[in-house]
Amino acid sequence: AQKVTQAQTEISVVEKEDVTLDCVYETRDTTYYLFWYKQPPSGELVFLIRRNSFDEQNEISGRYSWNFQKSTSSFNFTITASQVVDSAVYFCALITPYSGTYKYIFGTGTRLKVLA
Amino acid sequence: GAGVSQTPSNKVTEKGKYVELRCDPISGHTALYWYRQSLGQGPEFLIYFQGTGAADDSGLPNDRFFAVRPEGSVSTLKIQRTERGDSAVYLCASSFWSGKQFFGPGTRLTVL
Repeated sequence: AQKVTQAQTEISVVEKEDVTLDCVYETRDTTYYLFWYKQPPSGELVFLIRRNSFDEQNEISGRYSWNFQKSTSSFNFTITASQVVDSAVYFCALITPYSGTYKYIFGTGTRLKVLA
Repeated sequence: GAGVSQTPSNKVTEKGKYVELRCDPISGHTALYWYRQSLGQGPEFLIYFQGTGAADDSGLPNDRFFAVRPEGSVSTLKIQRTERGDSAVYLCASSFWSGKQFFGPGTRLTVL
C-alpha cells in the first residue's frame, strides 16, 4: 500500500530562517512520482514540483530546494531565507500510475508559519 | 477562464438532501480529479477521469457518491442522501495527464 507521512504538523520560524519540511513515503512500486503542493490561506493548492523515481538529482528553484533520497524514501523540501509569504500548508503527494491506479496519496500536510 | 473553476463556492444543505457540485477544468485538460479535504487533513482522492470515463473511482466512499463527465470537460459530483459526515471542502483538479495538477478553489459543503 502507498503512504505519505509528514510528521511535522506545524512549524514556526522567524523570517529569514531556513526551514526544512519532511516527507517520507512508502510504496512497493519502482516507478512513481512525488509532488509538493502549497496551500496558502486563500485555500487553492498550488503545484511546486514533480519528481519521478528515476531522477534523484536534487533540485533548486530560487529559495526552494528539494532533496530526494530513495535510500530513505524521503523527499524533503527546504525553504532558504523564509519570508512571511511562505506561510501556508505544504503537502507532499505520491502517485504510482503504472500500478494500475491513478490515485494520488497526499500527506496530512505541514503548516508553516513565518513570523516577521 | 484561465483556471479551474468550481461552483458553488459554498453549499449548505440539510441531512438527507441531494447535492451537485460542478467543476470546470482548464480547457484541453484530459485528466480530472475530485478530492475531499477535511479540516487539518490532506486532500483525499475520490475519483479520476481520463476523458469521459472514470478511470479510477476507488476513492468514492460509498454508493451515495457519483460523478460524471459526459463530454470530457465539465464534471459533476453528485451526493445523495447527504450525511453530516459529508461536510468538507470538495476540490477539483485537472491536468494534461496524471502529472502537474491545477486545483480549483473548492466547494465548501456543510450538511446540517
